[in-house]
Amino acid sequence: QVQLEESGPGLMQPSETLSLTCTVSGFSLSSNGVGWVRQPLGKGLVWMGTIWAGGSTNYNSAVQSRLSISRDTSKSQFFLKMNSVQPEDTGTYYCARLVGYGSYYFDYWGQGVMVTVSS
Amino acid sequence: ETTVTQSPASLSMAVGEKVSISCKTSTDIDDDMNWYQQKSGEVPKLLISEGNTLRPGVPSRFSSSGYGTDFVFTINNVLLGDEGIYYCQQSDNVPHTFGAGTKLELK
Repeated sequence: QVQLEESGPGLMQPSETLSLTCTVSGFSLSSNGVGWVRQPLGKGLVWMGTIWAGGSTNYNSAVQSRLSISRDTSKSQFFLKMNSVQPEDTGTYYCARLVGYGSYYFDYWGQGVMVTVSS
Repeated sequence: ETTVTQSPASLSMAVGEKVSISCKTSTDIDDDMNWYQQKSGEVPKLLISEGNTLRPGVPSRFSSSGYGTDFVFTINNVLLGDEGIYYCQQSDNVPHTFGAGTKLELK
């Protein structure tokens, strides 16, 4: 049974570094790519980035300079790290599994973790 | 980067009607378009994946069509339980951009 679960801080101060963890089960991070999607409160979905099965990464250019996605396959975890967060980074962050061949899509999602950036 | 323009932003439909949502992309993406449903307070759910492929367990009332730059998502005989926000997403090239969403309300 495929499952993903996000964890991280609920409240942050501006300029701090956001660190989120997604713990997965039911599949291997060495076999599937995974990614992060952000949803500002009351707004739409924003693709943040992906770490592929081979370990390479792609990022949303709007946050690329601040964002890093990594993984620990032995622990079935992958991570999002974003520095210098600002109030506009507030939102729900989802981790999700990628499937496909050539073209990839998110078939399983975590429940999401709400992150609020406020002074 | 491919931009995705989704319309309309909102729809108000009666039960039993046909819903159509459009997504247009700024580059040719073949048929690499996905469609998600997000009900209020819930996690997005994949309904249709690239190649206009209906996901297992998704009712056949949901369908999509399109190739290249123009795509349409359709719900036939819409039901009350279909209320929510629908998103398209292109997966031809990174970033895998989402459309802005279409909020579907049932009268």
